[in-house]
This record gives sequence, C-alpha cells and structure tokens, in this order.
Amino acid sequence: GAGVSQTPSNKVTEKGKYVELRCDPISGHTALYWYRQSLGQGPEFLIYFQGTGAADDSGLPNDRFFAVRPEGSVSTLKIQRTERGDSAVYLCASKQRHGSYGYTFGSGTRLTVV
Amino acid sequence: QQQVKQSPQSLIVQKGGIPIINCAYENTAFDYFPWYQQFPGKGPALLIAIRPDVSEKKEGRFTISFNKSAKQFSLHIMDSQPGDSATYFCAASQGGSEKLVFGKGTKLTVNP
Repeated sequence: GAGVSQTPSNKVTEKGKYVELRCDPISGHTALYWYRQSLGQGPEFLIYFQGTGAADDSGLPNDRFFAVRPEGSVSTLKIQRTERGDSAVYLCASKQRHGSYGYTFGSGTRLTVV
Repeated sequence: QQQVKQSPQSLIVQKGGIPIINCAYENTAFDYFPWYQQFPGKGPALLIAIRPDVSEKKEGRFTISFNKSAKQFSLHIMDSQPGDSATYFCAASQGGSEKLVFGKGTKLTVNP
C-alpha cells in the first residue's frame, strides 16, 4: 500500500484481557518497528524486525508483550493480561531496509485499558 | 535516563517568525539525528535529518544546525506558517537496530 496501515485505529479493552494490534508496512519494506507513545511524550521503542526475525526486542517492557512477523510483511503486537498503564498509542513504522533513510510511521492504534 | 533532551516544551510565534527548537544528547555513539512533525491523530512524519559529519542541513524552510562538540542540534523553521502548527520531535539513533530515541516534543503554535 501507499503507507503504513494500522488496525484497529482505536481499541478499548478491559483490564486483564488480551489484545492484538496489526501493522501492514509499506510493500517491500523489510525493516519494521513498533513504538509506544504515551500522552504528551515522544514515541518509545519497543521492537525491531528485519524480515521475519526480531532483531532487537530490548524495548518490550515485560513478558506480557510479544510481537510476530511470520512472513516478513504484516506484524502483530500482542499484549496479554492488559493493565491500565498499557494505555497509549502504539505506532508502527517501516523502512525499505537496514541503513536506508528515514522511517514511515502509521497513524497508530490508540489502546485504552479500562 | 533521558538520552535526548528537548526544549522548549511549547512555543508560540507569529506567522513569518522563526521558531527554534533545541535538543541535546548524551550518547556519543549516536550517528543519525532526525526531526519529526506530528499532527493530532497522526503518526510522526520525517521532516529532515542530519548526520554528524555536517554542521548544517537545509530543506525548504527547515534547517538543522548541528554542534558535535556541544552534543546539541536544533531545528529552525523559516517564514513559519499557521499550517506548521504541530508537535515537533527530535530523535537520535546509532548503527545496529537503528532504533530511535525521541525527545519529549515541542508543541508549536503559529498564530496568523
């Protein structure tokens, strides 16, 4: 597609539930990133995929968070046992390859845990 | 520990003014310094970026000034317009995963 697509755009879930957030990167982009942006803050790195593998998952806050990219294109961020502190905008970004110039971000999924 | 410190938190200028946003970093291994613009409800969009081998880069009305010895860089917006009203983020990354470390953002308002 023309840009990075994230679905859903908004998700409200109850504390303790499981959620999945989807990212469709720009076609042909091999590098994919997940970030989390809390209100009034800059995005914070979560995980980076190069192709199908998670090359850097150092930003995942704990083992409730997991992400996959099984075919090297679409990625899913999975959050188990959600907590109110997980409420944020989850941003996905892609770029053509490692070392290429600049990311393209999607518009994000706003997750609210009630 | 905040690796990229951004100031000011908010900024109001008149149309035609030149807002300046400043960032300072600590990690001398950083080798890529982009600026992003974000409108409400949208993801950040890359505006301009610089690598530490140059002291200034200009693209249209946007200029980055870079001071390697001081570990500081800044964004200047020439002839600012109301449509430039947005939140601006500086960021930095190093080789490897190329993950970005962002500043906390500056909310810019350009009054007509």
